[in-house]
Amino acid sequence: EDKVVQSPLSLVVHEGDTVTLNCSYEVTNFRSLLWYKQEKKAPTFLFMLTSSGIEKKSGRLSSILDKKELFSILNITATQTGDSAVYLCAVSEYGNKLVFGAGTILRVKS
Amino acid sequence: DAGITQSPRYKITETGRQVTLMCHQTWSHSYMFWYRQDLGHGLRLIYYSAAADITDKGEVPDGYVVSRSKTENFPLTLESATRSQTSVYFCASRGGSTLYEQYFGPGTRLTVT
Repeated sequence: EDKVVQSPLSLVVHEGDTVTLNCSYEVTNFRSLLWYKQEKKAPTFLFMLTSSGIEKKSGRLSSILDKKELFSILNITATQTGDSAVYLCAVSEYGNKLVFGAGTILRVKS
Repeated sequence: DAGITQSPRYKITETGRQVTLMCHQTWSHSYMFWYRQDLGHGLRLIYYSAAADITDKGEVPDGYVVSRSKTENFPLTLESATRSQTSVYFCASRGGSTLYEQYFGPGTRLTVT
């Protein structure tokens, strides 16, 4: 059965800290891995990763994929209270399904 | 307005009633999806559609019916609502390639009493 596992389930940090969120997966026909941010509303797209070892970066957020070890990490540096959200990892298979992990709840304290 | 919209945003219904959740997108995306989100489960795919008149089951389709007579609309019907269907429902759409991200609607919070 296809599955996506995220860790930790939740964490609390202080503003300015750096956090690393983890996503491991087991899917049959991997196509891409996506990260979304969800703040009490619809998930919003952050990154799509298809190739190992190539870092995607957007401001203080970055992500990388390891297709050999079947995992991805999402890094957030110099965290701000606005980074507080649920971060969702999803894996796209050939075909049309997105398989989501349960999410990591991040709370950034001022 | 352009984008993807859902209605209603909030709904309370009774066990056994039929309820339909609406989803409308203005991008002419070929693919549309319905997910439910429950604590501890993340987002789970209910049904998806590759084009008008083409639908397929996802991970948790039991108790739900979909149709897609027009590209822009993808309604989800709960034929006889149960308490276990209390959830937040998200509609999403994307273009033709699996390398395109999915865009999500604002969600419908459904409570079945």
